[in-house]
Amino acid sequence: SQQGEEDPQALSIQEGENATMNCSYKTSINNLQWYRQNSGRGLVHLILIRSNEREKHSGRLRVTLDTSKKSSSLLITASRAADTASYFCATDDSAYSGAGSYQLTFGKGTKLSVIP
Amino acid sequence: DGGITQSPKYLFRKEGQNVTLSCEQNLNHDAMYWYRQDPGQGLRLIYYSQIVNDFQKGDIAEGYSVSREKKESFPLTVTSAQKNPTAFYLCASSILGRVLFFGEGSRLTVL
Repeated sequence: SQQGEEDPQALSIQEGENATMNCSYKTSINNLQWYRQNSGRGLVHLILIRSNEREKHSGRLRVTLDTSKKSSSLLITASRAADTASYFCATDDSAYSGAGSYQLTFGKGTKLSVIP
Repeated sequence: DGGITQSPKYLFRKEGQNVTLSCEQNLNHDAMYWYRQDPGQGLRLIYYSQIVNDFQKGDIAEGYSVSREKKESFPLTVTSAQKNPTAFYLCASSILGRVLFFGEGSRLTVL
């Protein structure tokens, strides 16, 4: 199955700065999701963007999707120390998704550190 | 409160032993999933189930087994055939085609 790839693998910024993470994938998708994981915890869903959408906002989060380049970006504005976490993109693989079938494939994540 | 409960949070296993990780959800979701997470490897799908009494292998099913006798429960057994079981295991559930809700994970260590 395909896997999204996040870039960079690690990112360190000062509090108040913006953080941008990128995700690339290989085949066509129905939607792309971003999740957050605090160290040693489960993942929490942040935002879902459908293949026919180009941009989506949720609070301080902005997600873009470029299906022609097979890439997405997650922007966190005015970062806070509490944003320190790993961020994962996840794609459904249309090639595997048939009637009644649905799987998400996760990338390796970007580890974000926000320094107070 | 609705959610997903995984237990135990930490588990130690001797080589050659089978262990079972519990996953229970009260979200009334049809689909449930087990992922394995290794450092720097992201999440890899072990098994998933879309309906009671039915489940499918994911990318790394060898050495694992599951059952889905009830909608709320999807236990994962790590068998002695799994050669490198030390990892962080995550259970999730979803309404088909929607976002995943994750438990807090179970960390398995082989002694």
